[in-house]
Amino acid sequence: QVQLQESGPGLVKPSQTLSLTCSVSGGSISSGFYFWSWMRQPAGKRLEWIGRIFSSGDTNYNPSLKSRVTISVDTSNNQFSLRLNSVTAADTAVYYCARESVAVAALDSWGQGTLVTVSS
Amino acid sequence: DIQMAQSPSSVSASIGDRVTITCRASQGISSWLAWYQQKPGKAPKLLIFHASNLQSGVPSRFSGSGSGTDFTLTISSLQPEDFATYYCQQSNTFPFTFGPGTKVDL
Repeated sequence: QVQLQESGPGLVKPSQTLSLTCSVSGGSISSGFYFWSWMRQPAGKRLEWIGRIFSSGDTNYNPSLKSRVTISVDTSNNQFSLRLNSVTAADTAVYYCARESVAVAALDSWGQGTLVTVSS
Repeated sequence: DIQMAQSPSSVSASIGDRVTITCRASQGISSWLAWYQQKPGKAPKLLIFHASNLQSGVPSRFSGSGSGTDFTLTISSLQPEDFATYYCQQSNTFPFTFGPGTKVDL
């Protein structure tokens, strides 16, 4: 059974870059049947889809974040990453990585989530 | 963006109750709708995909219906482990968007 685990700093200063990595175990990120996605959820609010990447490197981003976000994949280490530039307090949230099945067009496996706080 | 609305925002129910949650999309999304369950401090869990298909391992008391703009999640007989927040999500059009959630509590 696939497992996903987010890692990265829990505190980022305003104007700096948020960087998170999602390590995938129990399955290959290169399988071709899945997209690898990032979501976030500010406290008490709904989930926001950030974007996704296929093993080929093809990406889709939320237009509201597109100018600041980069998602990349490292197939050799079976992981994918999120970078969000020029962060503000509004970027404070729990960040989740997840697997989207091409077959069902839904997020069928999630990481546990990691809280990132933007503060000086 | 496609806006997703849910009703009610919260529902108080008892064990054994039938609970129905509605999700409405601001434009047609065919059947590209999923339902997730989220418990406090935990990641969401996929319940239903393609509007009405039960994810493997999910109890059969959960069911989904609808297409186009109007969708429903039904819990036929509420169990103690079902007290949680439920979200709908559309995957018809980028960016994918989620509803605001419906909290089911005692």
